[in-house]
Formats: sequence, structure tokens, C-alpha cells
Amino acid sequence: EAGVVQSPRYKIIEKKQPVAFWCNPISGHNTLYWYRQNLGQGPELLIRYENEEAVDDSQLPKDRFSAERLKGVDSTLKIQPAELGDSAVYLCASNIGAGESSYNEQFFGPGTRLTVL
Amino acid sequence: AQTVTQSQPEMSVQEAETVTLSCTYDTSESNYYLFWYKQPPSRQMILVIRQEAYKQQNATENRFSVNFQKAAKSFSLKISDSQLGDTAMYFCAFMSAGANNLFFGTGTRLTVIP
Repeated sequence: EAGVVQSPRYKIIEKKQPVAFWCNPISGHNTLYWYRQNLGQGPELLIRYENEEAVDDSQLPKDRFSAERLKGVDSTLKIQPAELGDSAVYLCASNIGAGESSYNEQFFGPGTRLTVL
Repeated sequence: AQTVTQSQPEMSVQEAETVTLSCTYDTSESNYYLFWYKQPPSRQMILVIRQEAYKQQNATENRFSVNFQKAAKSFSLKISDSQLGDTAMYFCAFMSAGANNLFFGTGTRLTVIP
């Protein structure tokens, strides 16, 4: 079974340019996450989707970041315009979807390393 | 708010030896999960081991085991018989039961020396 797929693996852009990242979760996984991982830090949640609904986007900088998950499968994360401080690894993860007292493992993709010059 | 602290930015261990990575956390929750993830240079986060807070028994997965001290809010990872493939970043993470969001520490870079 294929894991979480992300593209591109690397992206280099100049500041003020737009950029988009794509994620395809594991088939059947209803919950999708986007994380940002700054150099030397752990991942931090940007947004979580349950199917096509964004249920937690409190950490998403909404002035320049946007995300969508049309049809509840693939997802795209966009930055427009990019700033120097956006240089980081952007990780996508998915899981089946946990209930009130259950746990389901999050599976991570390989991430996209963004460099803003 | 939950916080996860890893106070060891870097660690090294001789191949076949044992190493322990430290993690402390802060929460007011009573029901939660704790995790150790491995991130090799390929960047893909891999779950190493999981501990449910309501379980007193420490989790074990082959060469990996944890020392979970709930009252002290401590969750350390012990790697026995270290192998070269264990070289990676290791992240401690917290999740409230039912919340579905992970909170990560800053990581410990482990190097296994041949």
C-alpha cells in the first residue's frame, strides 16, 4: 500500500513569489494534517482536515497561507506571497480518524523542503 | 496548553551500547498519549513507540522501551543494542485523548558511532 505522497520534494523560490505543495493521503484516511517544521525544531500543526472540512486552522497564518481539500482526498497548501521566514519543511500526515477515546496512528509523508531566497 | 521539552539537543552512543533520550511534558489532561518518533535524513517521521497514559506498564517494542513516570511527567526512550540505522532525529510528542493533534518537542539528534 502506498504511503502519504507529497510533491515536490524540494522547492526554491524568491521572496514574494507564490508556492504550492500537494499531498495525497493514504487511501481511506479521512483526517489530513499539514505541519511546518522549522530548522532544528519539531513539526507544528498548521491545519487539520476531517474529510473536506478544516476543523483546526488556528495556527495557519491566514494572511498569506491557504489550504484546500476538495472531495476530501488530496490537499494543497499555498503560500502567497512567500517570505524569507517561510523557509521550512512542510509535512503532510494522515490517519483514519480517531473517535473520542480511540487512537489511530498518524502516517507522515516525506515532506517538501522550501527555501525562500 | 501542552508543552513538550527535550533537553538533549544531541547524543551519541557506541554501536551495540544502550542510550536513553529524555523528555518531559506539561499538561492538565488526565487521559493522553505519548510518542517517540524517529526522523532520518529522508525526513519521513516514523513512529517508534507509543504509551497510553492510563497504562502503568511501560511500552516496549523490540530494542526500544520507555520509562513513563506520570507523576513526574517524564517519558524517556531507551534504545538497547544501538545500531547504525538508529542514527536520526528523535522527537517526543504528546496528544490528548480524542483531540487528534500532536505536539512535538524540539528533538534530539542521535548518532550511533561504529
